[in-house]
Amino acid sequence: DIQITQSPSTLSASVGDRVTITCRASQSISSWLAWYQQRPGKAPRVLIYKASNLENGVPSRFIGSGSGTEFTLTISGLQPDDFATYFCLHYNSYVYTFGQGTKLDIK
Amino acid sequence: EVQLVESGGGLVQPGRSLRLSCEASGFTFDDYAVHWVRQTPGKGLEWVSGISWNSASLDYAEPVKGRFTISRDNAKNSLYLQMNNLRAEDTALYYCAKDTHYGLGSYFDGWGQGTLVTVSS
Repeated sequence: DIQITQSPSTLSASVGDRVTITCRASQSISSWLAWYQQRPGKAPRVLIYKASNLENGVPSRFIGSGSGTEFTLTISGLQPDDFATYFCLHYNSYVYTFGQGTKLDIK
Repeated sequence: EVQLVESGGGLVQPGRSLRLSCEASGFTFDDYAVHWVRQTPGKGLEWVSGISWNSASLDYAEPVKGRFTISRDNAKNSLYLQMNNLRAEDTALYYCAKDTHYGLGSYFDGWGQGTLVTVSS
């Protein structure tokens, strides 16, 4: 089974900062990775699919990159609404594996 | 706008059954696969089960195989999860999620708010 390891588990930052979250796969998953944002009490929202593709309506400050086993989500110019939990999802042919999540809070 | 509304959660004793429902709106339900995903504070998010647009393809996570059954009624824009022989480790917030494809294997672009299942005596 493919394992996805997400880091860090928590991250403190300030409005305007740039932050990076990483997901590592235990074996190559090509580009089959999505990134989600989840605010407390809300449904998850997809930000990025296929590693680097911005979902419609998502601000361009969210940038996904990587392929194979290492992937990153970079958020540039943090806005107050960005303080939330982020998680990655590996998807491919009946396989769905989530990262453990990263809670981004205000420093 | 995609809307998914789950219902049917609650407190249930170990070994008993529960049926979750998810009502969809805002998109053509029978064009897409749909899934159940659960979340716990300790284990995070875990995919539970998925069903293709026409119910021809079904799949389950190992921990629930043989106990849970996924189904859909396209005429009612609804997804279901029949959960039998429930265990304490099934305690979680259960989400309904919409696939971006008619078959299984793509990412999810819509989620509900979840329904809480608590398995305890």
